[in-house]
Amino acid sequence: DTVMTQSPDSLAVSLGEWATINCKSSQSLLYSVTNKNYLAWYQQKPGQPPKLLIYWASTRESGVPDRFSGSGSGTDFTLTISGLQAEDVAVYYCQQYLFTPYTFGQGTKLEVK
Amino acid sequence: EVQLVESGGGLAQPGRSLRLSCTASGFNFADRAVSWVRQAPGKGLEWVGFIRPNAYGGTTEFAASVRGRFSISRDDSKSIAYLEMNSLKTEDTAMYYCGRDFQTGGWYGFSDLWGQGTQITVSS
Repeated sequence: DTVMTQSPDSLAVSLGEWATINCKSSQSLLYSVTNKNYLAWYQQKPGQPPKLLIYWASTRESGVPDRFSGSGSGTDFTLTISGLQAEDVAVYYCQQYLFTPYTFGQGTKLEVK
Repeated sequence: EVQLVESGGGLAQPGRSLRLSCTASGFNFADRAVSWVRQAPGKGLEWVGFIRPNAYGGTTEFAASVRGRFSISRDDSKSIAYLEMNSLKTEDTAMYYCGRDFQTGGWYGFSDLWGQGTQITVSS
């Protein structure tokens, strides 16, 4: 199975500052036929289901604020939140969808410092 | 309203079976793959499995932790996907979410719409 490893496990950032979450895959998620990286990012707040933020590693889902951005290729990916807002406090997950079983990272808990 | 609603959760004894339902509304269910994801108390998300649209054979994939014990089926006439869970173990205790695949008329493997989840507790 493809192992997804996120870092850090938790992160505390001041309001208005940048937050960076990393995700590393045990195998490349770049599919040569489509030239796309099969990597998604989700946000989950307590008591709620996941919410899709980013797919194809860098495409923002409709309605997601542009302070959320995704980058990376191959095995290394990053979710960046520029200008942290209080409502961004949540757990963030990456998920690969190139190889079945599709797998999630362990999650990164983002808090306000 | 575009939504997914899970049902069928509850308490089950180890070794017993349980069937969850994921009822869709507000969109063409038949065109979408459906995923199941679970979350044990205080833990992260775990991908459980998914079912492709019937136009693609309605075939399924599963995580190793549930393969051979769980199955997924779909009834497009009712816009419902089912997660059949057999030989339940205490480690199957979790909130179970169903998700709609982003892709229409195929599948990508990630979900843009989720239900609120249904809780399964496996305990004697």
